[in-house]
Amino acid sequence: DGGITQSPKYLFRKEGQNVTLSCEQNLNHDAMYWYRQDPGQGLRLIYYSQIVNDFQKGDIAEGYSVSREKKESFPLTVTSAQKNPTAFYLCASSIGQVIRNEQFFGPGTRLTVL
Amino acid sequence: QKEVEQNSGPLSVPEGAIASLNCTYSDRVSQSFFWYRQYSGKSPELIMSIYSNGDKEDGRFTAQLNKASQYVSLLIRDSQPSDSATYLCAVIDSARQLTFGSGTQLTVLP
Repeated sequence: DGGITQSPKYLFRKEGQNVTLSCEQNLNHDAMYWYRQDPGQGLRLIYYSQIVNDFQKGDIAEGYSVSREKKESFPLTVTSAQKNPTAFYLCASSIGQVIRNEQFFGPGTRLTVL
Repeated sequence: QKEVEQNSGPLSVPEGAIASLNCTYSDRVSQSFFWYRQYSGKSPELIMSIYSNGDKEDGRFTAQLNKASQYVSLLIRDSQPSDSATYLCAVIDSARQLTFGSGTQLTVLP
């Protein structure tokens, strides 16, 4: 059963703590993405990766870090430097960064800072 | 800053009516256009893709693209209460990045 999984579904973070959000896909997609969504707003790109061991910053990368050691996995770390991390985090994947680049989303992780 | 603009709504239509959702984009070189449906608390789901001028139909959904006017729309025929959701317009721009609008909230009234 192909798809994108994200864990955990809900995550609570204390001030000054780093947390890591998991994203795994078994669609054999080359490209993976992390977005952030705040209430009533569209999605904003945090980081993306087109191939293993390579990734680029999106529009709002400050306070976040990623790694792409395996094609299937693209974890996102929200560091203590991210001052307002409470949001809905969405991972997506696509065949590649081509013109007709249909992106498919995982179920999301809702992060709350206590 | 490349932009994708949508009316935030809420847009309310009676059951069985046609819902019309609109989107404009600023990057004239954009080539690929998508509509996602997002239910409350859930992740976006791709429902339509369109790449060339004109209409593209899929079941009750029709996407319309006019590149000269930099305008893309989504029509939902025979609207059902289950269509109540936020609809996100997304555009791949000249930098091959997917940019999302802020979404239009649609409510279909029984």
